[in-house]
Amino acid sequence: SQELEQSPQSLIVQEGKNLTINCTSSKTLYGLYWYKQKYGEGLIFLMMLQKGGEEKSHEKITAKLDEKKQQSSLHITASQPSHAGIYLCGASGGTSYGKLTFGQGTILTVHP
Amino acid sequence: DGGITQSPKYLFRKEGQNVTLSCEQNLNHDAMYWYRQDPGQGLRLIYYSQIVNDFQKGDIAEGYSVSREKKESFPLTVTSAQKNPTAFYLCASNRVALPSGANVLTFGAGSRLTVL
Repeated sequence: SQELEQSPQSLIVQEGKNLTINCTSSKTLYGLYWYKQKYGEGLIFLMMLQKGGEEKSHEKITAKLDEKKQQSSLHITASQPSHAGIYLCGASGGTSYGKLTFGQGTILTVHP
Repeated sequence: DGGITQSPKYLFRKEGQNVTLSCEQNLNHDAMYWYRQDPGQGLRLIYYSQIVNDFQKGDIAEGYSVSREKKESFPLTVTSAQKNPTAFYLCASNRVALPSGANVLTFGAGSRLTVL
């Protein structure tokens, strides 16, 4: 089965700093999904990547999928307190039919 | 507005009791899923259903049961056989479960179950 490893597990940054969260898969990624979660709430979809080398941006968040499609990174530029939360990567395998496997999550704290 | 409604938000259960978590969607999505979230472990799939009257076990189905009698509804029962049920439970759905296709999941707000 596919396994996703996120690093770091937690991150504390000062407002205005840049940061990167990584997601590494044990198998080839057919689709990589980034979600954000506030504690005790549901997951909010951020971005989806499917093609090797693909890069997408939304506001100050950029996600990339490497050429070999086994690793993705999420980069936040000039972090703000509103970026705080749990970031999770999810992946679909070749025949997962909608099921996503998730990493363990990265807890981001942004100090004003 | 379309979305997924989970209820109750908080639930307390005594050992030995069965409890049912509700999940209703008005997105006209075909597939629905139940995930369990524990601190530091991400989300783990319990059960999923791609069409009405059909469902499959996920990675941690033991001690849980589901039904899919209507397209809009996918309730999860946590039975007394589940040895460690205290967790945050998330329901999700998507339109069409395509192989290797875009499978963006929409999530509900979650239900927190605590066993006393």
